Amino acid sequence: EIVLTQSPDFQSVTPKEKVTITCRASQSIGSSLHWYQQKPDQSPKLLIKYASQSISGVPSRFSGSGSGTDFTLTINSLEAEDAATYYCHQSSSLPYSFGQGTKLEIK
Amino acid sequence: EVQLVESGGGLVQPGRSLRLSCTASGFTSGDYAMNWVRQAPGKGLEWVGFIRGRTYGGTAEYAASVKGRFTISRDDSKSIAYLQMNSLKTEDTAVYYCTRGVGAGYFDCWGQGMLVTVSS
Repeated sequence: EIVLTQSPDFQSVTPKEKVTITCRASQSIGSSLHWYQQKPDQSPKLLIKYASQSISGVPSRFSGSGSGTDFTLTINSLEAEDAATYYCHQSSSLPYSFGQGTKLEIK
Repeated sequence: EVQLVESGGGLVQPGRSLRLSCTASGFTSGDYAMNWVRQAPGKGLEWVGFIRGRTYGGTAEYAASVKGRFTISRDDSKSIAYLQMNSLKTEDTAVYYCTRGVGAGYFDCWGQGMLVTVSS
């Protein structure tokens, strides 16, 4: 079973700041890593697929990078609406798994 | 518009059964894998299982925590996926989401979620 570990667990940031969230896999997963955003009382929403591929309708300030075991979600010029919990998810092998989540608070 | 709507949640006693339904619209559901993901109160996301699309045989896979107790099925004529939950435990209390899986990959559409509470 592949374990995904995100860091940090929580981050308090100011608008316009650049944010970096990392996700480390317990073994190599190639590029089969996806990122989701979940706002309070909402369903998760897909942000990035296959480590770095953008999703139609998602603001361009969200980007992803990485391969193998180390991945990064970057949010450039943070906006107030980006307050949410972010999850990584691997689909390289069963059982699928998620990271524990990173909660972003906007100051 | 691609949409998933869950139904069938509620309060159930430990050891009892419950079936969730996920109704798809806006796409041909049989062409996609349908996954179930759950989220316990105040916790993160946990993959529960999925059923493959008809092209891939329509077989299902499960997380270890639910294997042998939960069964995923689908009726593509009605565009519905089901999660049959038997021998429920208090730790199964969660919001259950159905999601559309693209290939053996990401989940690009999520339902609104359905709360299942297992309590005596």
